[in-house]
Amino acid sequence: ILNVEQSPQSLHVQEGDSTNFTCSFPSSNFYALHWYRWETAKSPEALFVMTLNGDEKKKGRISATLNTKEGYSYLYIKGSQPEDSATYLCALRGAQKLVFGQGTRLTINP
Amino acid sequence: GAVVSQHPSRVICKSGTSVKIECRSLDFQATTMFWYRQFPKKSLMLMATSNEGSKATYEQGVEKDKFLINHASLTLSTLTVTSAHPEDSSFYICSARGSVEKLFFGSGTQLSVL
Repeated sequence: ILNVEQSPQSLHVQEGDSTNFTCSFPSSNFYALHWYRWETAKSPEALFVMTLNGDEKKKGRISATLNTKEGYSYLYIKGSQPEDSATYLCALRGAQKLVFGQGTRLTINP
Repeated sequence: GAVVSQHPSRVICKSGTSVKIECRSLDFQATTMFWYRQFPKKSLMLMATSNEGSKATYEQGVEKDKFLINHASLTLSTLTVTSAHPEDSSFYICSARGSVEKLFFGSGTQLSVL
């Protein structure tokens, strides 16, 4: 059974600061790890899909790493901007479905 | 990017009535769609997998007679909450599979049953 934990549950960051949060999983028995950004009243938007240990992905100021051996993925945001305020979801894809963590709710204070 | 439209975004209904939620893929064909439910401060929980032209596959603990899923075309899946009760009040969201690792989500439906 896939189990996904995200921490922290919520985070307040000053505009311009960098931040990171964690997705933890006890098992490496999955096909891919997904990160999504979910703004209020909008659809979750795919950020990254990672499959291999050591994978690193980057999209503008946002990047992510995957460590399957130790069971975690980090999402980094450099130089936070107000538009980064959202809930960030991590999900593991097993054979048939995605299993989601509870999300990290990020608020950027201007 | 691909767009998935979900309607309604919010619905309030009386206990005992049925509510239908639509999920449409606007610019691609989706043979597989997924329906999730989310309680406050909890994870998105998969309810069922909807395959075009066949019966939906429900997750353990999800009542198929309570949550009717129809995927009659490659662009439309519907979730009907039958005889809704207050405990069915929740946030429901659909996603459509564009490829193995590409899922596109609707914006969700907040259901409140009085």
